[in-house]
Amino acid sequence: AQTVTQSQPEMSVQEAETVTLSCTYDTSESDYYLFWYKQPPSRQMILVIRQEAYKQQNATENRFSVNFQKAAKSFSLKISDSQLGDAAMYFCACLPSASKIIFGSGTRLSIRP
Amino acid sequence: DTGVSQDPRHKITKRGQNVTFRCDPISEHNRLYWYRQTLGQGPEFLTYFQNEAQLEKSRLLSDRFSAERPKGSFSTLEIQRTEQGDSAMYLCASSPGMNYGYTFGSGTRLTVV
Repeated sequence: AQTVTQSQPEMSVQEAETVTLSCTYDTSESDYYLFWYKQPPSRQMILVIRQEAYKQQNATENRFSVNFQKAAKSFSLKISDSQLGDAAMYFCACLPSASKIIFGSGTRLSIRP
Repeated sequence: DTGVSQDPRHKITKRGQNVTFRCDPISEHNRLYWYRQTLGQGPEFLTYFQNEAQLEKSRLLSDRFSAERPKGSFSTLEIQRTEQGDSAMYLCASSPGMNYGYTFGSGTRLTVV
């Protein structure tokens, strides 16, 4: 069975600082994709960043980057220069090839002005 | 294209009643997914379609739940004889194929009283 674990239910960061959200996953598939999704309060989920497991290079999207450690099955999200609009639930997710996305339980990120 | 649309946004129903939700995916996306999300948790997979074919159903989807996607366009999710435990956010998502991230709708929040 595929599982995604987010061990930090809540995180807080000072505006303009950097924060890292942790995620570990488990899958028996050799080909899979990893994602971070953001869900602002009462708003829809949006894709933040995507990583193909066969690529060693870590994905980046502007202020968002990941640290993908395939052997450790770890996939953390780093948010640089945190902004008030970054406050949201963040979900780590795994998509084994030809299957469906499995989500973690989420990390609630708050930004201190 | 306005993204993934879900209707209604909110539904309050009495226990034992039937409810039906609708999802309109992005028009060029052939895959459509239904998830359920309870407060403070990550989305849980219910079922998905490729075009009009329902390819997988979760064990969470009891006999009271049924989903359809006629003609491979919009989809409906029906819950018969609702129970209080059915109260949740029901999310619909679509993707252009395997191994892509999903685009989510805003969800339908169901409250069973």
